[in-house]
Amino acid sequence: GEDVEQSLFLSVREGDSSVINCTYTDSSSTYLYWYKQEPGAGLQLLTYIFSNMDMKQDQRLTVLLNKKDKHLSLRIADTQTGDSAIYFCAEKGTNAGKSTFGDGTTLTVKP
Amino acid sequence: GAVVSQHPSWVICKSGTSVKIECRSLDFQATTMFWYRQFPKQSLMLMATSNEGSKATYEQGVEKDKFLINHASLTLSTLTVTSAHPEDSSFYICSGGTVSYEQYFGPGTRLTVT
Repeated sequence: GEDVEQSLFLSVREGDSSVINCTYTDSSSTYLYWYKQEPGAGLQLLTYIFSNMDMKQDQRLTVLLNKKDKHLSLRIADTQTGDSAIYFCAEKGTNAGKSTFGDGTTLTVKP
Repeated sequence: GAVVSQHPSWVICKSGTSVKIECRSLDFQATTMFWYRQFPKQSLMLMATSNEGSKATYEQGVEKDKFLINHASLTLSTLTVTSAHPEDSSFYICSGGTVSYEQYFGPGTRLTVT
């Protein structure tokens, strides 16, 4: 079945850039997503990219997609303490529209 | 943006009782609704997918008689945990999907079974 993998932890200093990486296996993925989850809360959709794009920028967020290598990354510029959270990568194929999630990357931002 | 609400946000129940969780899409019509379960510090596990007016499709290993899902309208889906046990304690999250395959998540419901 589909599989999505992420590194579990990332720690950066406030003001630095953060890069969270994700790999997936489903070559038929149509949408790839990044979600943010703060403690005790649900998931917040940060951004998504369609599979025929290779880059999408939205304010401090830049998503890069290498479809050949099935690699997705999320770059957060000027990382702030409020960015500390768990970030989930997810992919959606053509199977009933459901998404497969990675295990999440815990981002810790140190002042 | 599209908003999904869940009610209740937090519930404690006694072992053996049933609990109903509601998921509503407030400003869009969710043609498909998904129910996920999340254990502490773990990823989301898809439990079932439901389309309005039809029976839910359950993922392998999820007991359909224990986790009853009803998707009565394009804006409401419910998950009922029947005869709850402590091992059912978890964070349950729903999401609503649109025809464009966007997916919007509710804030989650924390269930504690004592």
